[in-house]
Amino acid sequence: DQQVKQNSPSLSVQEGRISILNCDYTNSMFDYFLWYKKYPAEGPTFLISISSIKDKNEDGRFTVFLNKSAKHLSLHIVPSQPGDSAVYFCAARSGGGADGLTFGKGTHLIIQP
Amino acid sequence: NAGVMQNPRHLVRRRGQEARLRCSPMKGHSHVYWYRQLPEEGLKFMVYLQKENIIDESGMPKERFSAEFPKEGPSILRIQQVVRGDSAAYFCASSQRSDGYTFGSGTRLTVV
Repeated sequence: DQQVKQNSPSLSVQEGRISILNCDYTNSMFDYFLWYKKYPAEGPTFLISISSIKDKNEDGRFTVFLNKSAKHLSLHIVPSQPGDSAVYFCAARSGGGADGLTFGKGTHLIIQP
Repeated sequence: NAGVMQNPRHLVRRRGQEARLRCSPMKGHSHVYWYRQLPEEGLKFMVYLQKENIIDESGMPKERFSAEFPKEGPSILRIQQVVRGDSAAYFCASSQRSDGYTFGSGTRLTVV
């Protein structure tokens, strides 16, 4: 049973436009959500996170939106740049402690020039 | 300040052999997590350790897999009698606080 779902395996966006990556979750105990970016042959790197007490968190070109009632979060990247081409993983955690994260399968974002 | 160091980067084992994957956390980090990424899949949590203790091993297969994080030295993920289905990328992450995960570059295990 997949508790964190990223339904789009890939997404192609033109450089300069907005990239929107979506993530749905089923476990209502999740209280902290994170986005990771991964290049080939490298480990995931932390991008941005959001606590369940918020509905938006912004960091430069990256904004994460959380809709708790819909159990949905999204990552917006604007403007998209070639270096943003990577696999993006949505992850979630419950309990507020240092427990393991539950990851989605990832979305491969391709920025076209 | 070196990041999370994993070695080897690539490991090839024949079926039935043992695989040992090492992870040195970031300096000052006492929490270590192991994840596995199968082809076309996301990262799956395997085990969470603190120094000399296994905190959560709910994602570890019940047989052939074990993990340790000794007082001195790196964390070790050990897979005995490897099978083809164990071929995957194994990532280690470390943290000091609950929200400060840093991942290593991974070990790619190939079982032939």
